Amino acid sequence: AQSVTQPDIHITVSEGASLELRCNYSYGATPYLFWYVQSPGQGLQLLLKYFSGDTLVQGIKGFEAEFKRSQSSFNLRKPSVHWSDAAEYFCAVGSNDYKLSFGAGTTVTVRA
Amino acid sequence: DGGITQSPKYLFRKEGQNVTLSCEQNLNHDAMYWYRQDPGQGLRLIYYSQIVNDFQKGDIAEGYSVSREKKESFPLTVTSAQKNPTAFYLCASSIGLAGVDEQFFGPGTRLTVL
Repeated sequence: AQSVTQPDIHITVSEGASLELRCNYSYGATPYLFWYVQSPGQGLQLLLKYFSGDTLVQGIKGFEAEFKRSQSSFNLRKPSVHWSDAAEYFCAVGSNDYKLSFGAGTTVTVRA
Repeated sequence: DGGITQSPKYLFRKEGQNVTLSCEQNLNHDAMYWYRQDPGQGLRLIYYSQIVNDFQKGDIAEGYSVSREKKESFPLTVTSAQKNPTAFYLCASSIGLAGVDEQFFGPGTRLTVL
């Protein structure tokens, strides 16, 4: 069975500082990996996804993620955060079916 | 604009009552999903539908029911058999497989049982 672990429940970062959110997955084959973002009281929006090929994936809003098969990780990064990046971030792993497994999420707080 | 609408945004229910949450999409997507979100638990799949008149149970289907009579609509009924229904409910859709394709989410319905 596929699963996702997001080790950090809550991260606080200063505006302008870099951000890295950790994600570890468990899946037997080559995974489909996603990062979604959720603003308070809203639905989720896709930031980026990885299927194959280049292990560094670029997404929207200046985010990128790196797939490392040897570490079963898919960490999300942003070089310089903005106050509008305060949200909850979900890593998810999928396979070639209708099931997408989400991590528990990481809440990001941005301080001025 | 294409997207997913959910109504109502907030819903209050007395114990023992059934309640139906609405989900409509105009993205022409075949697949639709219902998730439940609780603090610290991420999203858990309740039901999904690959095509009209067909739907499958997800991981936590007990106490819930759905229908898919139209491509655009996928309502969720929370029945009195659901023991802990207070949660945030999200509807989503995708062109194809959720494990492969991007899912588009509605703004959610927050259900509170009084």
